[in-house]
Amino acid sequence: QQQVKQSPQSLIVQKGGIPIINCAYENTAFDYFPWYQQFPGKGPALLIAIRPDVSEKKEGRFTISFNKSAKQFSLHIMDSQPGDSATYFCAATVYSSASKIIFGSGTRLSIRP
Amino acid sequence: EAGVTQFPSHSVIEKGQTVTLRCDPISGHDNLYWYRRVMGKEIKFLLHFVKESKQDESGMPNNRFLAERTGGTYSTLKVQPAELEDSGVYFCASSRPGGYGYTFGSGTRLTVV
Repeated sequence: QQQVKQSPQSLIVQKGGIPIINCAYENTAFDYFPWYQQFPGKGPALLIAIRPDVSEKKEGRFTISFNKSAKQFSLHIMDSQPGDSATYFCAATVYSSASKIIFGSGTRLSIRP
Repeated sequence: EAGVTQFPSHSVIEKGQTVTLRCDPISGHDNLYWYRRVMGKEIKFLLHFVKESKQDESGMPNNRFLAERTGGTYSTLKVQPAELEDSGVYFCASSRPGGYGYTFGSGTRLTVV
């Protein structure tokens, strides 16, 4: 049973386009939703995160949109660049307990020059 | 600050053999986690140490997997005997006491043939 569902599995976008990655969760106890970026040969690195009390969070070119009632959240990358090509994982956890993170299955993003 | 160090980076072993993976967390990080990603699937939680104690080992697949954390410092994950389905990338992560903000290592790619 996959608690965090992520789509699409892969995505190709031209430079300057806006890739969008979508995630949905089931467990209403989750209250912290991070996104991780992973380059080949490296471990996942925290990119941006959101709590459910806000509907949107922006950090530079990266934006998370959050819909608590639908239990869905998404990542948008504005003005995408070839250097953004990586695998992106959405995730969910219970923030206060330093507990395990539940990851989505990942999206392999390729930005074409 | 040195990052989370894992070794080996790659390991190829035959079915039935034993393999030991090692993780050195960031100094002062009491929380240490092991995760695994099987080809193309989500990154799955294996277990969580707080110092030398196992806080949560609900993700350990079976009793062929043994994790230890000597003196609350480095951790090892032993697979004995290895099976084909154990192939994947094993990630270690650490975080500060009482805190969130994981730092992941680069992972060990295990291939069982």
